[in-house]
Amino acid sequence: EAQVTQNPRYLITVTGKKLTVTCSQNMNHEYMSWYRQDPGLGLRQIYYSMNVEVTDKGDVPEGYKVSRKEKRNFPLILESPSPNQTSLYFCASSLSRGEETQYFGPGTRLLVL
Amino acid sequence: QKEVEQDPGPLSVPEGAIVSLNCTYSNSAFQYFMWYRQYSRKGPELLMYTYSSGNKEDGRFTAQVDKSSKYISLFIRDSQPSDSATYLCAMTRGGGNKLTFGTGTQLKVEL
Repeated sequence: EAQVTQNPRYLITVTGKKLTVTCSQNMNHEYMSWYRQDPGLGLRQIYYSMNVEVTDKGDVPEGYKVSRKEKRNFPLILESPSPNQTSLYFCASSLSRGEETQYFGPGTRLLVL
Repeated sequence: QKEVEQDPGPLSVPEGAIVSLNCTYSNSAFQYFMWYRQYSRKGPELLMYTYSSGNKEDGRFTAQVDKSSKYISLFIRDSQPSDSATYLCAMTRGGGNKLTFGTGTQLKVEL
């Protein structure tokens, strides 16, 4: 089954404790992206990647890191999480560009205390 | 001012009604316009996709883009309770540029 998977689905952590949210797709897509969704602010793009080793900042990249060492994986790294990073995070992928159909993962709900 | 504005709702309509959802935008460089549907506790899924101006129809759904007014719409005919969801507009310049979403409109279709 074609899908985007994220882990973990739910995470509670404390300020400053480094964490990684994994994202994997099995559709051989070149384009992958991370979003956060907050009430009243909608979906905002954090980082995106058009191919292996190619990443670029979205609207809200501060406090986040990404890497794209393999085509299928695009982990999101929070080096020193803060409470304002409490949010619902989505990973998405598309064939080659952002304007094409993006397939979203199920989401990761993060609470930073 | 946000690049994309969307009324958050909630919008409540009776079953069978015609629903109109709208977004306005400020960036005239946007060329690709999309509507995503998001059910509670799920990721968004693409519903409609339009390039440049014009109308596009798919079953009960019609997407309209008016670039001169910087205004896009999604119409849902014969709305069903299963249409109850949050609808997000999204748009981009294309060519690998980032996708910008509206905040989403929550729709409830009641029996």
